[in-house]
Amino acid sequence: GAVVSQHPSRVICKSGTSVKIECRSLDFQATTMFWYRQFPKKSLMLMATSNEGSKATYEQGVEKDKFLINHASLTLSTLTVTSAHPEDSSFYICSASPGAGETQYFGPGTRLLVL
Amino acid sequence: KQEVTQIPAALSVPEGENLVLNCSFTDSAIYNLQWFRQDPGKGLTSLLLIQSSQREQTSGRLNASLDKSSGRSTLYIAASQPGDSATYLCAVPNGGSQGNLIFGKGTKLSVKP
Repeated sequence: GAVVSQHPSRVICKSGTSVKIECRSLDFQATTMFWYRQFPKKSLMLMATSNEGSKATYEQGVEKDKFLINHASLTLSTLTVTSAHPEDSSFYICSASPGAGETQYFGPGTRLLVL
Repeated sequence: KQEVTQIPAALSVPEGENLVLNCSFTDSAIYNLQWFRQDPGKGLTSLLLIQSSQREQTSGRLNASLDKSSGRSTLYIAASQPGDSATYLCAVPNGGSQGNLIFGKGTKLSVKP
């Protein structure tokens, strides 16, 4: 079946540094990928929609200058958390679908801890 | 605005029991509905996808039903096993078929040996 990978799976960083998270669709192309964030005991919340070749669409309350998204190719989207702070500590998950109406496949997630 | 609710929030059952997880959504104009499993600290695994024209989908011991008109879906797990312990999430697309998903908060299932 379709596979989506994320790297890294876990990252610990100091406050003020930037962290880049990669999301790759390994065996299909995806013009659209989604980035979600999950806080403990909360549901997944959409952060932004990543569109290949164009700017990402951010959800209300998500700072685009803080969470930089680049969808450089049909198989890769990156999320960069800039100047990370402890409140950015969370579980970040990406997803992608091979096509309209098909199952969305999720990456394994990235656990970010900002000290 | 679409909202997805799951009850119960947590469920503990003895091994071997059949169980039902519930999911409801406020806007019945959905394209499909998905059930996911999430193990602690892990990403999501898609279990079942039901298209809006379907009433149910089955995979092994799992059976998911969909009643669009009432805005409800159920996930039935037969003969539960300790390995089924996880959080189960249902989700519907926001808008079109390729839209982002709106998730419920999940049901945390614990199956005791």
